[in-house]
Amino acid sequence: DIVMTQSPDSLAVSLGERATINCKSSQSVFYSSTNKNYLAWYQQKPRQPPKLLIYWASTRESGVPDRFSGSGSGTGFTLTISSLQAEDVAVYYCQQYYSSPLTFGGGTKVEIK
Amino acid sequence: QVLLVQSGADVKKPGASVSVSCKASGYTFTNHAMHWARQAPGQRLEWMGWINTGNGKTGYSQKFQGRITITRDTSANIVYMELSSLRSEDTAVYYCARDDFGDYTRPYWFDPWGQGTLVTVSS
Repeated sequence: DIVMTQSPDSLAVSLGERATINCKSSQSVFYSSTNKNYLAWYQQKPRQPPKLLIYWASTRESGVPDRFSGSGSGTGFTLTISSLQAEDVAVYYCQQYYSSPLTFGGGTKVEIK
Repeated sequence: QVLLVQSGADVKKPGASVSVSCKASGYTFTNHAMHWARQAPGQRLEWMGWINTGNGKTGYSQKFQGRITITRDTSANIVYMELSSLRSEDTAVYYCARDDFGDYTRPYWFDPWGQGTLVTVSS
């Protein structure tokens, strides 16, 4: 199984400041045949299901604010919130869909400083 | 809009089975596979399996193989997940989630998710 490791476990950022979340996979999730990284990011607010933010590591889902961006390739990925808003307080998860079983990172809790 | 509505919370005794349903609306049901995942207290999200809603073919995580059955009713646009031989460690919120890409050859990302169903296993 591919193990997804996120860091940090939690972070507190001031409103308007940048938040950076890291995700590492135990093996590459890049398919050379499609030239794509098989990685998604989700946001989960309390008492809600996860919500898709990013797929293919860097493609923003329709309707997601452009302050959210994804980057990285192979085994290392980053989710960046360029200017943290109050409504961004949540837990963020990365997920690989490169191989079965699909696996998730342990989550990063983002709070306001 | 695309909506997945799950059945309500349930309490089961160890050794019993639980069935959770997921009713889909707002899109062509058989055009997208459906996944099941769960989130135990303090644990990460865990993928359990998926179903090709067109032909009913399923794929399960090895962890749950032998205990999980995913089925669908195309006349009602409902997917079911049954988990048997329940133990306390199965206490979790169970989610259905649509495979957004719509390609049955392999799984992709999940969008949207159902609201979640809390299953509590307790004697």
